[in-house]
Amino acid sequence: GQSLEQPSEVTAVEGAIVQINCTYQTSGFYGLSWYQQHDGGAPTFLSYNGLDGLEETGRFSSFLSRSDSYGYLLLQELQMKDSASYFCAVRLPALSSGSARQLTFGSGTQLTVLP
Amino acid sequence: NAGVTQTPKFQVLKTGQSMTLQCAQDMNHNSMYWYRQDPGMGLRLIYYSASEGTTDKGEVPNGYNVSRLNKREFSLRLESAAPSQTSVYFCASSERRLAGGRGTGELFFGEGSRLTVL
Repeated sequence: GQSLEQPSEVTAVEGAIVQINCTYQTSGFYGLSWYQQHDGGAPTFLSYNGLDGLEETGRFSSFLSRSDSYGYLLLQELQMKDSASYFCAVRLPALSSGSARQLTFGSGTQLTVLP
Repeated sequence: NAGVTQTPKFQVLKTGQSMTLQCAQDMNHNSMYWYRQDPGMGLRLIYYSASEGTTDKGEVPNGYNVSRLNKREFSLRLESAAPSQTSVYFCASSERRLAGGRGTGELFFGEGSRLTVL
């Protein structure tokens, strides 16, 4: 089976830095993705790590350590609009050459940014 | 550019009724997916389709059927709805990774279909 663990809630103030951790136990691993979802909205892609190390996209960074089955999303200079749910998702290898790769999601972390 | 379009956005059914959720994408993506989202449980994969003419079961396929009508459209059918199928359903699409490529596998989601089964 697949298991992804992330904190259910995180609270921080505007301008601060917050880190959302994700640990995973999956049958196969191809990469770790992060998605953002505002209340009532569609999930949107934030970042992807296929290899170990840090990926930076503006105020957001994501890190992966495959040997530790661990990754995190780092949000800097927090803004009120960053209040949302954040999901880590493991990209699994394709079951066959003609199959698509599945994406298995964690339960999500609700980030609340306070003024 | 519409992206991924789902219909209907809201639906209320009685137990035992059937219905089909429609999904269409205009990004020429090969792969399409159906997820359900329940409070506190994240997104769980119901079915997916690597390409036109192929479908595969995901994590929670029981009670559902799918049809990949063509490259653009992927529908989800509930033959006999149950209260346990009350959820928000998301359709998504992605590019198929080319041989040797290392794409992100980014999923593009529709706005969701909110289904209540009484």
